[in-house]
Amino acid sequence: DAGVIQSPRHEVTEMGQEVTLRCKPISGHDYLFWYRQTMMRGLELLIYFNNNVPIDDSGMPEDRFSAKMPNASFSTLKIQPSEPRDSAVYFCASSTWETQYFGPGTRLLVL
Amino acid sequence: AQSVAQPEDQVNVAEGNPLTVKCTYSVSGNPYLFWYVQYPNRGLQFLLKYITGDNLVKGSYGFEAEFNKSQTSFHLKKPSALVSDSALYFCAVREYGGSQGNLIFGKGTKLSVKP
Repeated sequence: DAGVIQSPRHEVTEMGQEVTLRCKPISGHDYLFWYRQTMMRGLELLIYFNNNVPIDDSGMPEDRFSAKMPNASFSTLKIQPSEPRDSAVYFCASSTWETQYFGPGTRLLVL
Repeated sequence: AQSVAQPEDQVNVAEGNPLTVKCTYSVSGNPYLFWYVQYPNRGLQFLLKYITGDNLVKGSYGFEAEFNKSQTSFHLKKPSALVSDSALYFCAVREYGGSQGNLIFGKGTKLSVKP
C-alpha cells in the first residue's frame, strides 16, 4: 500500500487566497483525520470523519476552514480566505479502529 | 480528562548507548498508548502501541516500550542508539474503547544521538 497520500506537499500563497489541501487515505480505512502542526501549538486535531461523515469538527479554528469527504478515497481541507496565521504543516491520517497512519503533510505558507 | 506528558523537550545520547524517552499519561479508564516518530520534513510514523497484554511492547527499528500501570508511564527505550534515530518522538494516548478523535499527543521529545 502506498500509505496516506497528500497533495500538494508545499503550498505558498498570498493572504486572502483560497487554499485546498487534498488527502487520499489508506484503502479500507474508515476513519480520516486532519491535523495541524505548529511550533507554538504542537499537533492539533481539526476534524475527523468516519465512513465519510464528519464526526467532530470542534477543532476547526474558524468558519474560514471547511473539510469534505465525498467518498472513501478522497478528502479536502479548504481555507478561504487564507491568513498568515494559517501557516503550518497540515497532516492527514487514516485508521481502522486502532492505529492512525499519517501522510507526509502539506507545508503551507501564507504571505 | 485525558492528558499525556513528555517531561523532556530534548534527550541527548551517545551512539551505542541505551536511550529512554519518557511519557506519562492520564485517562479515566484503561489506556491505548502509542509512540510515533517524526523525521525532519516528514509525517508522523507509527512505532509501536500498547492495547492489552504483555507490558513490554516491541516495535519498529529495535524500539520497545514498557507499560507501567501503577506509574501511569509508557517510556520508549532502545538498547543501543543509532545516529539515524535522531528525530522527534511523540507519545499519544486515548481511552480504551473511547472515540478515535480523542487521541491526545504529547508535545514531543527531540532525540539527538551523537556519534
